[in-house]
Amino acid sequence: GENVEQHPSTLSVQEGDSAVIKCTYSDSASNYFPWYKQELGKGPQLIIDIRSNVGEKKDQRIAVTLNKTAKHFSLHITETQPEDSAVYFCAASQVNDMRFGAGTRLTVKP
Amino acid sequence: GAVVSQHPSWVICKSGTSVKIECRSLDFQATTMFWYRQFPKQSLMLMATSNEGSKATYEQGVEKDKFLINHASLTLSTLTVTSAHPEDSSFYICSARYGPGEQYFGPGTRLTVT
Repeated sequence: GENVEQHPSTLSVQEGDSAVIKCTYSDSASNYFPWYKQELGKGPQLIIDIRSNVGEKKDQRIAVTLNKTAKHFSLHITETQPEDSAVYFCAASQVNDMRFGAGTRLTVKP
Repeated sequence: GAVVSQHPSWVICKSGTSVKIECRSLDFQATTMFWYRQFPKQSLMLMATSNEGSKATYEQGVEKDKFLINHASLTLSTLTVTSAHPEDSSFYICSARYGPGEQYFGPGTRLTVT
């Protein structure tokens, strides 16, 4: 089955700096790669996603890149703000088999 | 985006009792719903996948007789934890999807078994 690895497990940045979180996946058949933000005591919220026929996608301060050959994808957050502090999860899936990374706890210091 | 609700948001029950958690898709019809559990500071672990009108598919290691899943309609799935024990205490999260699109997650239900 699919195995998703995520790094780093914790990330601390200064407000205004950029944050990058990286994930690798094992199953070359995976074709959908979402990123979720989870705040304490809440369910994950989809923040951006990318499909295997696209290499990069951007939504305001958030961007995701996908390298199918290397089987890795990354989340980029620019101009970080304290409200970006949360746990971020990457995931990889085909149809009914979404697997999550272990999560990255991002702290943005004001 | 699509909205998924869960009820209750938290529940405390005594060991040996059963607890039912509801998951509803509020503004779309969910052909597939998923149930996850999450321990503190850990990732989401898929428990089972259910399609409307059919039996749920459980992940390896998940006891289907203990975690009963019903997906009777396109907007409602329920998870019943039967004969709950303290080790079942966890954060249970559902998600719903229409067709091959994005999964939308509920806010989660914190279960504490005393």
